[in-house]
Parts: sequence; C-alpha cells; structure tokens
Amino acid sequence: KNQVEQSPQSLIILEGKNCTLQCNYTVSPFSNLRWYKQDTGRGPVSLTIMTFSENTKSNGRYTATLDADTKQSSLHITASQLSDSASYICVVRGYSSASKIIFGSGTRLSIRP
Amino acid sequence: SAVISQKPSRDICQRGTSLTIQCQVDSQVTMMFWYRQQPGQSLTLIATANQGSEATYESGFVIDKFPISRPNLTFSTLTVSNMSPEDSSIYLCSVEVQRESEQYFGPGTRLTVT
Repeated sequence: KNQVEQSPQSLIILEGKNCTLQCNYTVSPFSNLRWYKQDTGRGPVSLTIMTFSENTKSNGRYTATLDADTKQSSLHITASQLSDSASYICVVRGYSSASKIIFGSGTRLSIRP
Repeated sequence: SAVISQKPSRDICQRGTSLTIQCQVDSQVTMMFWYRQQPGQSLTLIATANQGSEATYESGFVIDKFPISRPNLTFSTLTVSNMSPEDSSIYLCSVEVQRESEQYFGPGTRLTVT
C-alpha cells in the first residue's frame, strides 16, 4: 500500500472556479510535506513545503493545509486559471536523514475555459 | 535555487541499445538523484548519486542496467542499458539544496523504446 495517497485521481473544473486536492499519508514520523506542480513534459516544481508544526502555507493562489494528527494535507487552488492545468503531486519525507522521500501518484487537474 | 538541464529531452531507441542521459546543474550540489516516471504514474527513485562515491540503487534497480557517473558536483549521467519497451518512461534528474530544504527537478528525458 502506498504511504502517500492522493485524491481525486483526476479533476476537471471551469476556469475561475476553486478546487481542493487531498493527500493522506501514513509516513510517521515525518520531516516535511511538499506539494509540487508538474506541467506536461516538464519536471515537478515546488509549490509549498510544510513541516509537521505548520498548519497552512500559501503561495499566491495556492494554499496548502496540514493536519499532522489525522495525517492529511490539502491543496486549495483559488480562482483557477488555464495555466493551472497540470498534475499536482504530494511528497512526504520521513524524519531521519536516511528516510526516503515518498511520492503520491498525483492528481491530474484540467481547467476548462 | 538550482537550474537543471537534461540532454536529450526525448529520444526514440531500438530495443537492445543503450542511451546515456546527461544532467547539468548550474551550481555545486552534493546529492543528485535519478527518477523514473512511467506513464500516468508517480516518480520512482532509481538511485542517489553522490560525487566521489558509488551510486546507491533502490530496490529493483541495478548498476548493470542503470550505470551512473558523477564526475563532479555539477554533472551526472544515467545510462539505460540493453533497453526494452518496458524502459519507455520519463527519466528525471533531481538535486537537493540542503540549505533551502528544497528539491529541484530537471525537465526530464522522455524515452520511447521500440
């Protein structure tokens, strides 16, 4: 079973609408949780990074939340734009320096005009 | 930050041949990583390449199939040897900038094996 599960697998919304992507993880203890945006044909680009003590972090129209008790994170996108069409990947790193970085399978987001 | 370039950006190869992918970083970094991303899948770590030491391979990946070089702190290569159609994937180079607690990725190399 993957230690980082994302939902939904894919999502289509209209331009200008908001959406929320979910990430549940079992990695424990963990060092940090990141959200990446991956455009088609490109490498992932970091949007936010949160440690276990942080509850929320914003980057423009992107706001990530973290509940370390329930091991859940969400990425909220406000006033979506066509350029937001991409895959969004949740990544969790374990606590020790030898811990692996676990990637979620991503949510494929499509913004329709 | 770190800017990463990869060559080639894409290639179509025949089975049984080998392809070497180059990764160049615009700053010196200790840790470099090679990932594979199969269609519709998440990233899977192939190996960690530190300068001056042998690469460390993850379970399911072996040096004979994926030899890696790391001659200096800004460059690495990954070779996909004796390719089969199952090797068709995107291969990504990544570096970790520890002072930023940030991981950067290259644009990827899209490999198709026929």
